[in-house]
Amino acid sequence: AQSVTQLDSHVSVSEGTPVLLRCNYSSSYSPSLFWYVQHPNKGLQLLLKYTSAATLVKGINGFEAEFKKSETSFHLTKPSAHMSDAAEYFCVVSPLGTSGTYKYIFGTGTRLKVLA
Amino acid sequence: SQTIHQWPATLVQPVGSPLSLECTVEGTSNPNLYWYRQAAGRGLQLLFYSVGIGQISSEVPQNLSASRPQDRQFILSSKKLLLSDSGFYLCACQGAYNEQFFGPGTRLTVL
Repeated sequence: AQSVTQLDSHVSVSEGTPVLLRCNYSSSYSPSLFWYVQHPNKGLQLLLKYTSAATLVKGINGFEAEFKKSETSFHLTKPSAHMSDAAEYFCVVSPLGTSGTYKYIFGTGTRLKVLA
Repeated sequence: SQTIHQWPATLVQPVGSPLSLECTVEGTSNPNLYWYRQAAGRGLQLLFYSVGIGQISSEVPQNLSASRPQDRQFILSSKKLLLSDSGFYLCACQGAYNEQFFGPGTRLTVL
């Protein structure tokens, strides 16, 4: 069975400092992994995805994530936090279902707070 | 790229009343579509998915049902709402590979 664990429910950083949001996954085969961001009362926006190509994945808004198979991790990073980055972030693992469907398995989310 | 619309944006309904939430998709054809619910303080739970017109798969037995009357229309319904049906409902459309794109969501409050 596949699962995903977001290790921190809340993270606070100062504006201009690095961001690290941690995600570990469990999968019996090479997974597809995603990071999404959700601002309050909004839908989810895809930040980046890993689908067995390059292990370092660059996304939108300066975010990137590194797939580390030996550590079963897919941590999200950003060199310098901006106030607009304050939101909830979800790590997702995606197994292949039937008929080409992908039933996402979501982490419980990490709420990022950016301090001025 | 596809655009996902959800209607209404917010809804307040009494217990026992019916429900109909609509999701429509533009910019793609024959997409796989998904309904998720996000309860307060909790993660997202997959409710239903559909691979085509009239084809619905349910993930969790509950008070809700889904229908897909047209290729790019996905509807979530209930005959009698429960308090536990409150939440944020998200429709998603599968992209060209295995990513999903989400609509803006519907906030449902059952009183």
